[in-house]
Amino acid sequence: NAGVTQTPKFRILKIGQSMTLQCTQDMNHNYMYWYRQDPGMGLKLIYYSVGAGITDKGEVPNGYNVSRSTTEDFPLRLELAAPSQTSVYFCASREGGTDTQYFGPGTRLTVL
Amino acid sequence: DAKTTQPPSMDCAEGRAANLPCNHSTISGNEYVYWYRQIHSQGPQYIIHGLKNNETNEMASLIITEDRKSSTLILPHATLRDTAVYYCIVRQSPTSGGTSYGKLTFGQGTILTVHP
Repeated sequence: NAGVTQTPKFRILKIGQSMTLQCTQDMNHNYMYWYRQDPGMGLKLIYYSVGAGITDKGEVPNGYNVSRSTTEDFPLRLELAAPSQTSVYFCASREGGTDTQYFGPGTRLTVL
Repeated sequence: DAKTTQPPSMDCAEGRAANLPCNHSTISGNEYVYWYRQIHSQGPQYIIHGLKNNETNEMASLIITEDRKSSTLILPHATLRDTAVYYCIVRQSPTSGGTSYGKLTFGQGTILTVHP
């Protein structure tokens, strides 16, 4: 049972490039979340999903897209990277009927 | 979700109890108090949550005042590995009819430093 895994751990992008941050959980959780954390700040919700095929925007969705084709995977897509997207990105999951969110180790992204 | 106020930093000696306060004076009757922590360069970790009764688990105790306007997280015997940022979050429980889909709103938190 690996919990929530994220890849890559680190990435440097040039302005205008695109990439996908991967998130996988093996706990069969319906709820999944993407957060970003800027230096010295708390986490902000980007997108979330309540089950396969269902996603919705969080507080800061601009510049990002998500999909949820399976229960296990919840990738986050950056289409045109901008320096403002330099951040640490965390994926989390939660089982329906509980309040506890389990977080992955994060992806540190730098856009230059 | 109700706003929370925490001290920016605290120190604690190893082996002593760490008491982390949180003010949430605008808390509503159906909002819970949650505590998470984030050790450097890691994802946040759930610690404990409660509504109005005091709660205890293997990690910590949560003391909520009778008027529910403040709470204290207690780490009974702090270790060096407890050095982290501790977040107090107030929101409706998604398992109790809350409509926020369980999203967590993290503020600045309290940086707890446990020293030898």
